[in-house]
Amino acid sequence: DAGVIQSPRHEVTEMGQEVTLRCKPISGHDYLFWYRQTMMRGLELLIYFNNNVPIDDSGMPEDRFSAKMPNASFSTLKIQPSEPRDSAVYFCASSSPRSSWGNEQFFGPGTRLTVL
Amino acid sequence: AQSVAQPEDQVNVAEGNPLTVKCTYSVSGNPYLFWYVQYPNRGLQFLLKYITGDNLVKGSYGFEAEFNKSQTSFHLKKPSALVSDSALYFCAVWEGNYQLIWGAGTKLIIKP
Repeated sequence: DAGVIQSPRHEVTEMGQEVTLRCKPISGHDYLFWYRQTMMRGLELLIYFNNNVPIDDSGMPEDRFSAKMPNASFSTLKIQPSEPRDSAVYFCASSSPRSSWGNEQFFGPGTRLTVL
Repeated sequence: AQSVAQPEDQVNVAEGNPLTVKCTYSVSGNPYLFWYVQYPNRGLQFLLKYITGDNLVKGSYGFEAEFNKSQTSFHLKKPSALVSDSALYFCAVWEGNYQLIWGAGTKLIIKP
């Protein structure tokens, strides 16, 4: 398996622009998580899905952030409009409670977002 | 509420010496505890976990962790540190609904 795939790996955009981050979870995993990592705030859970349904989005910072999972193999995190304070590394992770690893989460390589 | 604390922002160890990265937790029931490692410019990688059974859990890259219920701790250890162990280490506890509660992370620096 290729692992969790995220694109793009790096994104530089200007304030006010729309940003879309993409994630392909590991095949067969039914949980998908979006995290944000910054020096100031550490690792924050933004939202997670189970079987393509959002379960908890309480970590989404504000209405400018939205996430979708139209099918089991694809999810997006959108920021519109983007602001400089959104600059961070965004990680996608997936897990399967039926796997031998239990609740282990498998992380993608992350998208480093810079908003100028 | 469930929580995880990593009391040290940074740990410095000389190569070849034993290392310990500390983690304490607070849960209402039986804990599921995890350690992850993050190398520079990479995503987090699973190291080991405790769910039940033997209090000493062995994981990847020669790491192990000791679960201590009375002290509510789950410290990460390695008998002999390598320079390549330098990374950011995260402790996490499973909350339920498959969401992990993460510690703030500890930067481990191994000096040659």
